[in-house]
Amino acid sequence: NAGVTQTPKFQVLKTGQSMTLQCAQDMNHEYMSWYRQDPGMGLRLIHYSVGAGITDQGEVPNGYNVSRSTTEDFPLRLLSAAPSQTSVYFCASSSGLRGPQYFGPGTRLTVT
Amino acid sequence: QQPVQSPQAVILREGEDAVINCSSSKALYSVHWYRQKHGEAPVFLMILLKGGEQKGHEKISASFNEKKQQSSLYLTASQLSYSGTYFCGTELGAGNMLTFGGGTRLMVKP
Repeated sequence: NAGVTQTPKFQVLKTGQSMTLQCAQDMNHEYMSWYRQDPGMGLRLIHYSVGAGITDQGEVPNGYNVSRSTTEDFPLRLLSAAPSQTSVYFCASSSGLRGPQYFGPGTRLTVT
Repeated sequence: QQPVQSPQAVILREGEDAVINCSSSKALYSVHWYRQKHGEAPVFLMILLKGGEQKGHEKISASFNEKKQQSSLYLTASQLSYSGTYFCGTELGAGNMLTFGGGTRLMVKP
């Protein structure tokens, strides 16, 4: 099993550009989440999904969109990149709310 | 509301013990503990459910005090491999997604 995979690993965007961060898992997990981690800080929840077709907002959803058309994939879209979105983005999946979360390797995004 | 972790950082010698605390002002339903090494993704350590149970993972154990709304992570006879940042994630209401603390940086020196 590959677990949770994320692409790309690194990305540089100019202010105003849009892009999609990809996340996929092969563990048949219902729960998937996107977090951002800023230097010296913890993980902040952006959006999450409790199953295909169901998504909801986390703590810091502004500027991001998600969709979940399949169990396996949970892409994160940046609509119009801003320097404040420079961060490391982690995707995670779990079998349930109280199950262990398995994190992908992360995407390091820089917005100039 | 984000749980508060203490201390923010700790330096140990191999073989020493440490305790990391995670506190919330709201009722906790579960507490998760994760460890993240520099440049890597967080890795799951353990989950504690409401009920005050204690769990263990190698020489790392944790407790959950419902009355204090606090969880503590105990690292016994620390090893170099224990170095990293430890995060607690709390379920603040039944069915709510996890909210993570700011992390505790642990460095174990030879």
